[in-house]
Amino acid sequence: DTEVTQTPKHLVMGMTNKKSLKCEQHMGHRAMYWYKQKAKKPPELMFVYSYEKLSINESVPSRFSPECPNSSLLNLHLHALQPEDSALYLCASSQVREAETQYFGPGTRLLVL
Amino acid sequence: SQQGEEDPQALSIQEGENATMNCSYKTSINNLQWYRQNSGRGLVHLILIRSNEREKHSGRLRVTLDTSKKSSSLLITASRAADTASYFCAPLTHNNNDMRFGAGTRLTVKP
Repeated sequence: DTEVTQTPKHLVMGMTNKKSLKCEQHMGHRAMYWYKQKAKKPPELMFVYSYEKLSINESVPSRFSPECPNSSLLNLHLHALQPEDSALYLCASSQVREAETQYFGPGTRLLVL
Repeated sequence: SQQGEEDPQALSIQEGENATMNCSYKTSINNLQWYRQNSGRGLVHLILIRSNEREKHSGRLRVTLDTSKKSSSLLITASRAADTASYFCAPLTHNNNDMRFGAGTRLTVKP
């Protein structure tokens, strides 16, 4: 299995809602990443997990809360988001953080109303 | 890791033509990778070239690296409509693969 899956594909939420994005891989990778991509812009790195521990937080607002409950699963918990947080959220994984290639999921398209 | 800067920002060609896009970076690298993103989808790794390599081929893709000029180019030969996508380079400098992408090159291949 060489796939990174993300659920849901699409999500619409209000500014007072709490929701979660899920990312899963069964390649035995020990590094996982969250990126945010606004329309017509490049992906921006948000968080990096290495061996289930948070290695990088790119100054992301606390309304985004990542969680890595095990080596296969990465969540992004969302709370009190703003309309400007509407974007495509991409998850990726790599064998380890030092590995050369990242494998991306198809993304979750989020709309905050 | 550092951010690569792709050039041009947009490129439109006819099917069958070759497409060339460039990437520049600022400091020395361990390797440089190219990724493709079809509209609204995840990124797909295309090819990796190491700092001690000058040229690499993969199918219709040819990548060159000039470390003295701190630049790389990606050539797609005999383009197809399915090559329509955004292309990003990722120069990696340290012992990790944290990638920070430039604006990318948006390639449109017209049938």
